[in-house]
Amino acid sequence: GAVVSQHPSWVICKSGTSVKIECRSLDFQATTMFWYRQFPKQSLMLMATSNEGSKATYEQGVEKDKFLINHASLTLSTLTVTSAHPEDSSFYICSAPHQAARNTIYFGEGSWLTVV
Amino acid sequence: AQTVTQSQPEMSVQEAETVTLSCTYDTSESDYYLFWYKQPPSRQMILVIRQEAYKQQNATENRFSVNFQKAAKSFSLKISDSQLGDAAMYFCAYRIDYGGATNKLIFGTGTLLAVQP
Repeated sequence: GAVVSQHPSWVICKSGTSVKIECRSLDFQATTMFWYRQFPKQSLMLMATSNEGSKATYEQGVEKDKFLINHASLTLSTLTVTSAHPEDSSFYICSAPHQAARNTIYFGEGSWLTVV
Repeated sequence: AQTVTQSQPEMSVQEAETVTLSCTYDTSESDYYLFWYKQPPSRQMILVIRQEAYKQQNATENRFSVNFQKAAKSFSLKISDSQLGDAAMYFCAYRIDYGGATNKLIFGTGTLLAVQP
């Protein structure tokens, strides 16, 4: 079964609104989680590293005010796309290392965001 | 900077045959991990196999095996007895393990594998 769960799987929002995507580690704690963005037929692009209890670390070129990341607990990280625009439409996927499983990195199911 | 290169955008194999996917990487580190992930049309990322750089023995997982050449910085994936369910995008990945970038994965561009019946 899944060890990392993402919600929602699909979301459609209007331009200018904000949308939140949740990433949960199931049955294990994750002090670090990673958020990726994937364009069609392309690889995963790391957006940011989510750190429990502290600020997220963003990759170069990723707008931190646009993509708000909060890691409020050891099992939950959230990505909020603020003031969404059509160009933010994409597949977003999170991952978390499972320490008890030799730090194997497990991925969520991903979330499709469509901004209309 | 660490980079991962997959030079084959697409590959095709006949069912029951063997196929090898290529991956090269660049790093100045001596201790690291390498992975192959599979992404079927569902988009779920599935770990296929992992290799610790300090291990000389090539990793194997059932029909999947790797050819890890540390000096050449090469990490190819061999799929034996290919099945229709193996059709997917395959990503090679390198994991950094230092400082504040613990467990960060760097992905290659992917190889789309088609399996012909």
